[in-house]
Amino acid sequence: DAGVIQSPRHEVTEMGQEVTLRCKPISGHDYLFWYRQTMMRGLELLIYFNNNVPIDDSGMPEDRFSAKMPNASFSTLKIQPSEPRDSAVYFCASSCDPLRLGARICSYNEQFFGPGTRLTVL
Amino acid sequence: SQQGEEDPQALSIQEGENATMNCSYKTSINNLQWYRQNSGRGLVHLILIRSNEREKHSGRLRVTLDTSKKSSSLLITASRAADTASYFCATDAEAAGNKLTFGGGTRVLVKP
Repeated sequence: DAGVIQSPRHEVTEMGQEVTLRCKPISGHDYLFWYRQTMMRGLELLIYFNNNVPIDDSGMPEDRFSAKMPNASFSTLKIQPSEPRDSAVYFCASSCDPLRLGARICSYNEQFFGPGTRLTVL
Repeated sequence: SQQGEEDPQALSIQEGENATMNCSYKTSINNLQWYRQNSGRGLVHLILIRSNEREKHSGRLRVTLDTSKKSSSLLITASRAADTASYFCATDAEAAGNKLTFGGGTRVLVKP
């Protein structure tokens, strides 16, 4: 498996533009997480999905942020309109469910991270 | 406030020395994990210790957990230049579902 895939790796945009970040989780994983990492605030969980359903979006900073998971192999995080304070590295991570796959195959809540998207909003 | 907080924030050692970093947390946990992040990369899982375990080893890594003090430590023995990275603890709190809360990290520099 190629691991968690994110695109684009780098995005530079101007304030007010719409930004869409994409993530492909590891095949067979049931959970998908979106994080944001900045020097000031560290690594913050924005939202996570279980079987394509959003479970907890309490970390989404405001209505400008939205996330979708239309199927098990794809998720997007959208920022509209973008602002300079949104500049950060955005990570997607996925994990499997040991209750479904068994503890020998799946370590509970071990998360696999993608390489991240470095977003710069000018 | 953060669930997990690492100490020290930064650590500089010579190759071959041991590196020790600590993590404190506030609420009861199911387990605690340590991750490594190389510059410009995503986090990589290193080791998980359950709340009923006190010590765990994996290669040159040794993790301890003291639930009475709500703290954990990560020891890297015989460090190598390739161990240069940031190290994060992450807690899986009871009743938090599958959420992990990450600490601020310890930046480790291993000088050759």
